[in-house]
Amino acid sequence: DSGVTQTPKHLITATGQRVTLRCSPRSGDLSVYWYQQSLDQGLQFLIQYYNGEERAKGNILERFSAQQFPDLHSELNLSSLELGDSALYFCASSVGNPSASYEQYFGPGTRLTVT
Amino acid sequence: AQKVTQAQTEISVVEKEDVTLDCVYETRDTTYYLFWYKQPPSGELVFLIRRNSFDEQNEISGRYSWNFQKSTSSFNFTITASQVVDSAVYFCALSEKNTGFQKLVFGTGTRLLVSP
Repeated sequence: DSGVTQTPKHLITATGQRVTLRCSPRSGDLSVYWYQQSLDQGLQFLIQYYNGEERAKGNILERFSAQQFPDLHSELNLSSLELGDSALYFCASSVGNPSASYEQYFGPGTRLTVT
Repeated sequence: AQKVTQAQTEISVVEKEDVTLDCVYETRDTTYYLFWYKQPPSGELVFLIRRNSFDEQNEISGRYSWNFQKSTSSFNFTITASQVVDSAVYFCALSEKNTGFQKLVFGTGTRLLVSP
């Protein structure tokens, strides 16, 4: 158990809908990262937050957004869902000190299926 | 640009065999970190090791060992005396100082099947 929690574990929804994925980082970690894992794209970095502020953006679609709250949990919002958004979404956390690259600990993931 | 290549898509071995998973990386940065993660059938990603670009010492942890060679831009992972529980997809990843170390760039993974 990495100490990172994600809810829900599974999500099935229809095209055009909006969903919210939630992540709680390990105790003491200030950074939260979101990744998408799909068969065609592999594991891709989406976005990172550090202590409530957005720090880095990857290949995140405009239809997707995220935030980190004062209690450090994070939410990833996916809207106007398309079939191609079906994937496993991981949250990871780390100490997040920007002067070095610390190991990221991953949650169990949320499997999103868009029908 | 940063890139991680894991050329071996799938490897099958019999229990107790040794197996090496290859990882080749590309970066223009002189300061970077390399990682290995394991993804068992249950789906979670499990951290195995982190190595920075200034530390080329090989590392051993039980049956696992890692060989980091800057001259060939490789960070290979060897499992000695493999076990069925080692069956998983293994990912190599890279983060660079240029990007503030903020993201991991993953390879495509190597699926390891260990049969009894």
